Amino acid sequence: EAQVTQNPRYLITVTGKKLTVTCSQNMNHEYMSWYRQDPGLGLRQIYYSMNVEVTDKGDVPEGYKVSRKEKRNFPLILESPSPNQTSLYFCASSLSGGGGFSGYTFGSGTRLTVV
Amino acid sequence: GIQVEQSPPDLILQEGANSTLRCNFSDSVNNLQWFHQNPWGQLINLFYIPSGTKQNGRLSATTVATERYSLLYISSSQTTDSGVYFCAVDFGGYNKLIFGAGTRLAVHP
Repeated sequence: EAQVTQNPRYLITVTGKKLTVTCSQNMNHEYMSWYRQDPGLGLRQIYYSMNVEVTDKGDVPEGYKVSRKEKRNFPLILESPSPNQTSLYFCASSLSGGGGFSGYTFGSGTRLTVV
Repeated sequence: GIQVEQSPPDLILQEGANSTLRCNFSDSVNNLQWFHQNPWGQLINLFYIPSGTKQNGRLSATTVATERYSLLYISSSQTTDSGVYFCAVDFGGYNKLIFGAGTRLAVHP
C-alpha cells in the first residue's frame, strides 16, 4: 500500500532532550515536507526537500533540523525541544514539488508534548 | 497576498442531510486538495482536484479554476463524517500546500 509512515504517533518528552520523528514513504516520491498544526494557527510548513540532499526552510524552521540522505526517508530532529514545540506534526510527500500529478500524501501525524 | 478561505467555519447537520462546503482562493493553482481531519487527528485525502469534478461515493467536489473556487458536497451525511474539512492549495512556486482554516462539521444522529 502506498503510504507515508511516521513514528512515533504519540510522544511525551522533557525540555532539552533531543528527539527524532521519523518519516518514510514507499512511493519513490522526490518531494517531502514537514508541517506542524496548532490551534488558531492552522498547518504551517517547517522544512521541505525537493530531492536527496536538497532541503530548504519553510515558514517556521526555528528549533528544527532535517536531513534527506535517502529518497524514502525525511526525519525531523528537535535537538533541544521546548514546550512551544508541543504540536501535531505531519510529514507529506509528492511525486515532485507542486504536488506532481496526484497531489500530496500525508502521514498519520505525530502528537508531541514537551513538558 | 495568497489566501485560501473556507466557509462556513462551522456546520451542524442531522444525519441524512446534505451540505456544501466552499473554498475560495486568491490566485491560479497548481494543485488543490480536500482533506478530512478525523477526531484522531489524521488527515485523510478526499480529492485531488485542481480543476473539474470528481465523485467518490457520497462525496463529490468541483473546482472552477477560472473563478477561483472549489466546492465539496457531502450527501446523506453520517456521524462518521464529523470532523474538520480542509481545502489546501499549491499556488506554484511556493513548494508547499497552503491550508484554509477549515470547516468544522458535526453530524448528529
